[in-house]
Amino acid sequence: GAGVSQTPSNKVTEKGKYVELRCDPISGHTALYWYRQSLGQGPEFLIYFQGTGAADDSGLPNDRFFAVRPEGSVSTLKIQRTERGDSAVYLCASTPGGGREQFFGPGTRLTVL
Amino acid sequence: QKEVEQNSGPLSVPEGAIASLNCTYSDRGSQSFFWYRQYSGKSPELIMSIYSNGDKEDGRFTAQLNKASQYVSLLIRDSQPSDSATYLCAVRYGGSQGNLIFGKGTKLSVKP
Repeated sequence: GAGVSQTPSNKVTEKGKYVELRCDPISGHTALYWYRQSLGQGPEFLIYFQGTGAADDSGLPNDRFFAVRPEGSVSTLKIQRTERGDSAVYLCASTPGGGREQFFGPGTRLTVL
Repeated sequence: QKEVEQNSGPLSVPEGAIASLNCTYSDRGSQSFFWYRQYSGKSPELIMSIYSNGDKEDGRFTAQLNKASQYVSLLIRDSQPSDSATYLCAVRYGGSQGNLIFGKGTKLSVKP
């Protein structure tokens, strides 16, 4: 079946701009996670949704970052006033209800000039 | 601070050999352990999960967990050049669906 999909695959923006990154989880998966990965590092947790609500947003680095999942399926990660340090690959993963394994999408490479 | 430590490598092994990848974690409350493979420019791909002490085998891969030593390893038998990738160790601390803490990964190179 279809895996996790993320759009866009690449996003180049200028410092100070607003960006939205989209994640479409595997159909029926209730838990959805956002991570970001910088070069040479492992993925770093940002936020986790169970259904429509954010179960844990402790990884969001500051209030410029926000994420929503209004219908319990697709999620959007929103970054305001982007900074060069936000440049990274943003990864989305999902897990079925009751499941323990996370399956990752292809990621969105964000470059802030 | 919950941490997951891996040797960054690179680990180089000849084709057909056994590759041994190691990972330690800091919190004894950890409950779930995962190995992901990541090819350059690609996203992590789950290859093994392990939840209880001992060994778990899947094809050429064996995951080993020792909670007393806070240590998890991945063995790859009959290594192939296509196994060349970065291997990420990930740990979940508590709960069945909480977030994962990742190590920085070990880069494996299998030489033909």
